[in-house]
Amino acid sequence: QVQLVESGGGVVQPGRSLRLSCAASGFTFSIYAIHWVRQAPGKGLEWVAAISYDGSKEYYADSVKGRFAISKDFSMNTVSLQMNGLRADDTAVYFCARGGYCSGGGCFYLGFAYWGQGTLVTVSA
Amino acid sequence: EFVLTQSPGTLSLSPGERATLSCRASQSFSSTYLGWYQHKAGQAPRLLIYGASSRATGIPDRFSGSGSGTDFTLTISRLEPEDSAVYYCQRYFYPPYTFGQGTKLEIK
Repeated sequence: QVQLVESGGGVVQPGRSLRLSCAASGFTFSIYAIHWVRQAPGKGLEWVAAISYDGSKEYYADSVKGRFAISKDFSMNTVSLQMNGLRADDTAVYFCARGGYCSGGGCFYLGFAYWGQGTLVTVSA
Repeated sequence: EFVLTQSPGTLSLSPGERATLSCRASQSFSSTYLGWYQHKAGQAPRLLIYGASSRATGIPDRFSGSGSGTDFTLTISRLEPEDSAVYYCQRYFYPPYTFGQGTKLEIK
């Protein structure tokens, strides 16, 4: 069965760094895009970053551009989110989610059908 | 900037009633890329509808979606207590993969 498991959350001081990981299993990792979505306390869902199926393209929300970096490790079937220059407004539960896939010369987008349970990041002095 | 605006902000209904949730986009896009999610506190979001009107795997037929262009609707017929949650629409093609701000559905 499809599983996405996040890890790496915790409490960090403003300006410091943290690296989140998303371990994927139960599907062909190499054909799917993976996304990070966050939910700040009392707020709605906010898309943060995405990496294409082959790892060649990265996309970021304006709120994290230049501070966060997403990467894909095909040997470990994991996606990482390196978060630098953390701010108090980065405090949130971070979810990874499976996006569209590319296969047979075409790409298909059917929503974010699978999500992890989330990992909490708290940025506080 | 592409924006999805959901209404109402909060909806309070009784079991057995019908809920109608709206999602309006700031610019037109293909309904192929519009999804609806249910999110309960402490849980992962759950995909309900993709392609504006197709139910995701395991989603009961009480949930239905419609719309095109800039106006989309999620309808939940015959509300049950477990439908209490926040519902989000999302455009899931081309960054940013914007979510609406959510509609909180309360079951009395």
